[in-house]
Amino acid sequence: AQKVTQAQTEISVVEKEDVTLDCVYETRDTTYYLFWYKQPPSGELVFLIRRNSFDEQNEISGRYSWNFQKSTSSFNFTITASQVVDSAVYFCALSEAQGGNTGKLIFGQGTTLQVKP
Amino acid sequence: EAGVTQFPSHSVIEKGQTVTLRCDPISGHDNLYWYRRVMGKEIKFLLHFVKESKQDESGMPNNRFLAERTGGTYSTLKVQPAELEDSGVYFCASSQDRSKLFFGSGTQLSVL
Repeated sequence: AQKVTQAQTEISVVEKEDVTLDCVYETRDTTYYLFWYKQPPSGELVFLIRRNSFDEQNEISGRYSWNFQKSTSSFNFTITASQVVDSAVYFCALSEAQGGNTGKLIFGQGTTLQVKP
Repeated sequence: EAGVTQFPSHSVIEKGQTVTLRCDPISGHDNLYWYRRVMGKEIKFLLHFVKESKQDESGMPNNRFLAERTGGTYSTLKVQPAELEDSGVYFCASSQDRSKLFFGSGTQLSVL
């Protein structure tokens, strides 16, 4: 069965601290996609990144970076020098691709990040 | 370009009543999805349209839920009759190629 676990329910940091959000997934498929979405107070889910199972290169986008490790089934997300605007709920998600990519996502429980000034 | 729009943003109804949620996807996106998050739980898939056809409705909880997408444009999700456990946030998403889903802000449904 497919499952995504975000063990951290809530994290609170002070501005400029680095913070890592953990994501562990389970799947029996060899082809799959991993995602991170951000949900700011306005409510919509904002796409941050998509990674396929064959690409284990870490990715950096500004202050955001992602560490994908198949050996530990993890896809962790780090925010460097956090800012108050980073305060949001962050969701990790999994989508299977074997048989075609359907866009059907399996979400983790979400991690609420609070960045204090 | 307009994003995914959902109406209403909030709905409070009594148990046994009917509620209809609406989703306007991004123009040109053939794929439309409904998800929901009940209190304290994960966001879960409900169903997937490709144009006006239901591609996958494996996540629909029961026959009190009816989704339609007439003409392959906007979609509606009707709950009739609503039960207490239906309370939660209902998200709609659309996608052109299924590789990246664009979500709306959701409809917060409260059944009292």
